[in-house]
Amino acid sequence: AQKVTQAQTEISVVEKEDVTLDCVYETRDTTYYLFWYKQPPSGELVFLIRRNSFDEQNEISGRYSWNFQKSTSSFNFTITASQVVDSAVYFCALSGGLGAGNNRKLIWGLGTSLAVNP
Amino acid sequence: EAGVTQSPTHLIKTRGQQATLRCSPISGHTSVYWYQQALGLGLQFLLWYDEGEERNRGNFPPRFSGRQFPNYSSELNVNALELEDSALYLCASSLGRLEELFFGSGTQLSVL
Repeated sequence: AQKVTQAQTEISVVEKEDVTLDCVYETRDTTYYLFWYKQPPSGELVFLIRRNSFDEQNEISGRYSWNFQKSTSSFNFTITASQVVDSAVYFCALSGGLGAGNNRKLIWGLGTSLAVNP
Repeated sequence: EAGVTQSPTHLIKTRGQQATLRCSPISGHTSVYWYQQALGLGLQFLLWYDEGEERNRGNFPPRFSGRQFPNYSSELNVNALELEDSALYLCASSLGRLEELFFGSGTQLSVL
Protein backbone atom coordinates (compact mmCIF):
# COMPACT_ATOMS: atom_id res chain seq x y z
CA ALA A 1 0.00 0.00 0.00
CA GLN A 2 1.09 3.53 -0.62
CA LYS A 3 1.38 5.93 2.25
CA VAL A 4 2.83 9.34 3.01
CA THR A 5 3.68 10.37 6.53
CA GLN A 6 4.36 13.89 7.65
CA ALA A 7 5.11 13.40 11.31
CA GLN A 8 5.26 17.10 12.15
CA THR A 9 1.75 18.43 12.57
CA GLU A 10 2.73 21.96 13.47
CA ILE A 11 6.00 23.86 13.46
CA SER A 12 6.54 27.35 14.78
CA VAL A 13 9.74 29.28 14.07
CA VAL A 14 10.98 32.81 14.27
CA GLU A 15 11.70 34.66 11.08
CA LYS A 16 15.13 33.96 9.54
CA GLU A 17 15.39 30.54 11.14
CA ASP A 18 15.93 27.52 8.91
CA VAL A 19 13.22 24.88 9.07
CA THR A 20 12.97 21.35 7.70
CA LEU A 21 9.68 19.62 6.98
CA ASP A 22 9.88 15.85 6.99
CA CYS A 23 8.19 13.49 4.57
CA VAL A 24 8.44 9.71 4.64
CA TYR A 25 6.71 7.58 2.05
CA GLU A 26 5.88 3.94 1.38
CA THR A 27 5.36 2.41 -2.02
CA ARG A 28 5.99 -0.84 -3.86
CA ASP A 29 6.23 0.91 -7.21
CA THR A 30 9.68 1.14 -8.74
CA THR A 31 8.67 4.23 -10.64
CA TYR A 32 6.90 6.94 -8.74
CA TYR A 33 6.72 10.67 -8.24
CA LEU A 34 6.97 12.78 -5.14
CA PHE A 35 5.57 16.26 -4.73
CA TRP A 36 5.47 19.13 -2.34
CA TYR A 37 2.58 21.58 -2.32
CA LYS A 38 2.03 24.72 -0.30
CA GLN A 39 -1.39 25.74 0.93
CA PRO A 40 -1.47 29.35 2.16
CA PRO A 41 -4.44 30.63 4.18
CA SER A 42 -6.29 31.37 0.93
CA GLY A 43 -6.73 27.63 0.48
CA GLU A 44 -5.30 27.38 -3.00
CA LEU A 45 -2.69 24.67 -3.34
CA VAL A 46 0.53 25.79 -4.97
CA PHE A 47 2.84 23.31 -6.65
CA LEU A 48 6.42 23.51 -5.38
CA ILE A 49 8.29 20.55 -6.80
CA ARG A 50 7.99 17.16 -8.49
CA ARG A 51 10.70 14.55 -8.23
CA ASN A 52 10.73 11.17 -9.98
CA SER A 53 12.08 8.09 -8.28
CA PHE A 54 15.11 7.85 -10.57
CA ASP A 55 16.41 11.28 -9.78
CA GLU A 56 17.96 11.47 -6.33
CA GLN A 57 19.74 14.73 -6.89
CA ASN A 58 18.95 17.32 -4.31
CA GLU A 59 17.33 20.45 -5.63
CA ILE A 60 17.61 24.04 -4.58
CA SER A 61 15.30 26.83 -5.62
CA GLY A 62 16.06 30.08 -3.91
CA ARG A 63 15.44 29.59 -0.19
CA TYR A 64 13.84 26.20 -0.79
CA SER A 65 15.73 22.94 -0.99
CA TRP A 66 14.70 19.30 -1.14
CA ASN A 67 16.58 16.23 0.01
CA PHE A 68 15.41 12.99 -1.62
CA GLN A 69 16.84 9.79 -0.15
CA LYS A 70 15.49 6.50 -1.47
CA SER A 71 17.43 4.53 1.12
CA THR A 72 15.31 6.05 3.87
CA SER A 73 12.20 6.69 1.72
CA SER A 74 12.31 10.33 2.63
CA PHE A 75 11.77 13.54 0.72
CA ASN A 76 12.44 16.37 3.12
CA PHE A 77 11.90 20.04 2.45
CA THR A 78 14.03 22.81 3.93
CA ILE A 79 13.28 26.51 3.99
CA THR A 80 16.33 28.63 4.64
CA ALA A 81 16.00 32.02 6.32
CA SER A 82 12.26 31.62 6.75
CA GLN A 83 9.93 34.56 6.21
CA VAL A 84 6.45 35.35 7.49
CA VAL A 85 5.07 34.74 3.99
CA ASP A 86 6.21 31.14 4.27
CA SER A 87 3.48 30.54 6.83
CA ALA A 88 1.24 27.89 5.31
CA VAL A 89 0.38 24.23 5.38
CA TYR A 90 2.82 22.15 3.38
CA PHE A 91 1.78 18.85 1.85
CA CYS A 92 3.93 16.02 0.61
CA ALA A 93 2.34 13.68 -1.94
CA LEU A 94 3.13 10.49 -3.83
CA SER A 95 1.83 9.08 -7.08
CA GLY A 96 2.43 5.88 -8.96
CA GLY A 97 4.51 5.80 -12.12
CA LEU A 98 3.19 6.59 -15.55
CA GLY A 99 1.30 3.73 -17.07
CA ALA A 100 -0.16 2.54 -13.80
CA GLY A 101 -3.94 2.59 -13.85
CA ASN A 102 -4.08 4.77 -10.79
CA ASN A 103 -1.23 7.08 -11.61
CA ARG A 104 -3.34 10.14 -11.05
CA LYS A 105 -4.36 9.12 -7.58
CA LEU A 106 -2.04 11.23 -5.51
CA ILE A 107 -1.56 9.97 -1.99
CA TRP A 108 -1.22 12.87 0.39
CA GLY A 109 0.34 13.36 3.76
CA LEU A 110 -1.75 15.14 6.35
CA GLY A 111 0.33 18.26 6.00
CA THR A 112 2.60 20.28 8.26
CA SER A 113 1.36 23.65 9.41
CA LEU A 114 4.26 26.08 9.48
CA ALA A 115 3.98 29.35 11.38
CA VAL A 116 6.77 31.84 10.87
CA ASN A 117 6.62 34.56 13.49
CA PRO A 118 8.17 38.00 13.10
CA GLU B 1 -3.85 33.56 -17.65
CA ALA B 2 -6.72 32.62 -15.39
CA GLY B 3 -6.09 29.82 -12.93
CA VAL B 4 -8.45 27.07 -11.88
CA THR B 5 -11.71 28.62 -10.75
CA GLN B 6 -14.24 27.04 -8.46
CA SER B 7 -17.75 28.07 -7.51
CA PRO B 8 -19.31 28.69 -5.16
CA THR B 9 -16.72 29.65 -2.58
CA HIS B 10 -18.96 28.59 0.25
CA LEU B 11 -21.99 26.32 0.26
CA ILE B 12 -24.27 25.58 3.18
CA LYS B 13 -26.67 22.67 2.97
CA THR B 14 -28.69 20.53 5.33
CA ARG B 15 -28.44 16.81 5.73
CA GLY B 16 -30.14 14.90 2.93
CA GLN B 17 -29.88 17.68 0.38
CA GLN B 18 -27.82 17.65 -2.79
CA ALA B 19 -24.81 19.84 -3.51
CA THR B 20 -23.33 20.82 -6.87
CA LEU B 21 -19.82 22.19 -7.07
CA ARG B 22 -18.31 23.62 -10.23
CA CYS B 23 -14.80 23.87 -11.60
CA SER B 24 -13.24 25.53 -14.60
CA PRO B 25 -9.76 24.30 -15.46
CA ILE B 26 -6.92 26.35 -16.82
CA SER B 27 -7.41 27.01 -20.51
CA GLY B 28 -5.96 24.12 -22.49
CA HIS B 29 -6.01 21.66 -19.61
CA THR B 30 -8.06 18.56 -20.35
CA SER B 31 -7.77 16.75 -17.02
CA VAL B 32 -9.76 17.73 -13.96
CA TYR B 33 -9.39 16.23 -10.50
CA TRP B 34 -11.51 16.54 -7.42
CA TYR B 35 -10.18 16.22 -3.88
CA GLN B 36 -11.82 16.37 -0.50
CA GLN B 37 -9.95 18.03 2.34
CA ALA B 38 -11.67 17.18 5.56
CA LEU B 39 -10.36 18.32 8.92
CA GLY B 40 -7.79 15.89 10.21
CA LEU B 41 -7.94 13.63 7.18
CA GLY B 42 -5.75 15.48 4.73
CA LEU B 43 -6.46 15.45 1.05
CA GLN B 44 -8.46 12.53 -0.28
CA PHE B 45 -8.71 11.80 -3.99
CA LEU B 46 -12.29 11.78 -5.28
CA LEU B 47 -12.43 11.74 -9.07
CA TRP B 48 -10.34 12.24 -12.17
CA TYR B 49 -11.85 13.28 -15.51
CA ASP B 50 -9.99 13.50 -18.77
CA GLU B 51 -11.40 14.28 -22.20
CA GLY B 52 -14.93 14.05 -20.86
CA GLU B 53 -14.60 10.63 -19.29
CA GLU B 54 -14.16 9.45 -15.73
CA ARG B 55 -10.68 7.88 -15.57
CA ASN B 56 -10.36 7.02 -11.93
CA ARG B 57 -12.26 7.19 -8.70
CA GLY B 58 -11.27 7.27 -5.05
CA ASN B 59 -12.81 5.34 -2.18
CA PHE B 60 -16.01 7.32 -1.91
CA PRO B 61 -19.63 6.11 -2.04
CA PRO B 62 -21.64 6.39 -5.28
CA ARG B 63 -23.51 9.43 -4.01
CA PHE B 64 -20.35 11.33 -4.96
CA SER B 65 -20.48 11.73 -8.72
CA GLY B 66 -19.55 14.19 -11.36
CA ARG B 67 -19.05 14.89 -14.99
CA GLN B 68 -16.85 16.79 -17.37
CA PHE B 69 -18.29 18.94 -20.09
CA PRO B 70 -17.04 19.39 -23.68
CA ASN B 71 -15.29 22.61 -22.63
CA TYR B 72 -13.47 20.55 -19.93
CA SER B 73 -15.20 22.25 -17.03
CA SER B 74 -16.51 19.89 -14.42
CA GLU B 75 -19.21 19.42 -11.82
CA LEU B 76 -19.07 17.47 -8.62
CA ASN B 77 -22.42 16.32 -7.26
CA VAL B 78 -22.94 15.04 -3.76
CA ASN B 79 -26.33 13.48 -3.10
CA ALA B 80 -27.98 12.69 0.21
CA LEU B 81 -25.55 14.91 2.10
CA GLU B 82 -24.25 13.71 5.43
CA LEU B 83 -22.70 15.76 8.19
CA GLU B 84 -19.27 14.23 7.53
CA ASP B 85 -19.34 15.55 3.98
CA SER B 86 -18.49 18.94 5.43
CA ALA B 87 -15.09 19.74 3.98
CA LEU B 88 -13.12 21.85 1.55
CA TYR B 89 -13.48 20.45 -1.96
CA LEU B 90 -10.55 21.23 -4.19
CA CYS B 91 -10.48 21.00 -7.94
CA ALA B 92 -7.27 20.74 -9.91
CA SER B 93 -6.38 20.61 -13.57
CA SER B 94 -3.40 19.42 -15.52
CA LEU B 95 -2.18 19.44 -19.08
CA GLY B 96 -2.09 16.03 -20.64
CA ARG B 97 -0.10 13.39 -18.80
CA LEU B 98 1.98 15.78 -16.74
CA GLU B 99 1.63 15.22 -13.05
CA GLU B 100 1.82 18.85 -12.06
CA LEU B 101 -1.58 19.82 -10.78
CA PHE B 102 -2.87 23.35 -10.53
CA PHE B 103 -5.43 23.80 -7.80
CA GLY B 104 -8.32 26.16 -7.33
CA SER B 105 -9.13 27.80 -4.01
CA GLY B 106 -11.84 25.30 -3.25
CA THR B 107 -15.46 25.21 -2.22
CA GLN B 108 -16.12 25.04 1.51
CA LEU B 109 -19.15 22.80 1.96
CA SER B 110 -20.90 22.89 5.30
CA VAL B 111 -23.61 20.35 6.02
CA LEU B 112 -25.85 21.23 8.95
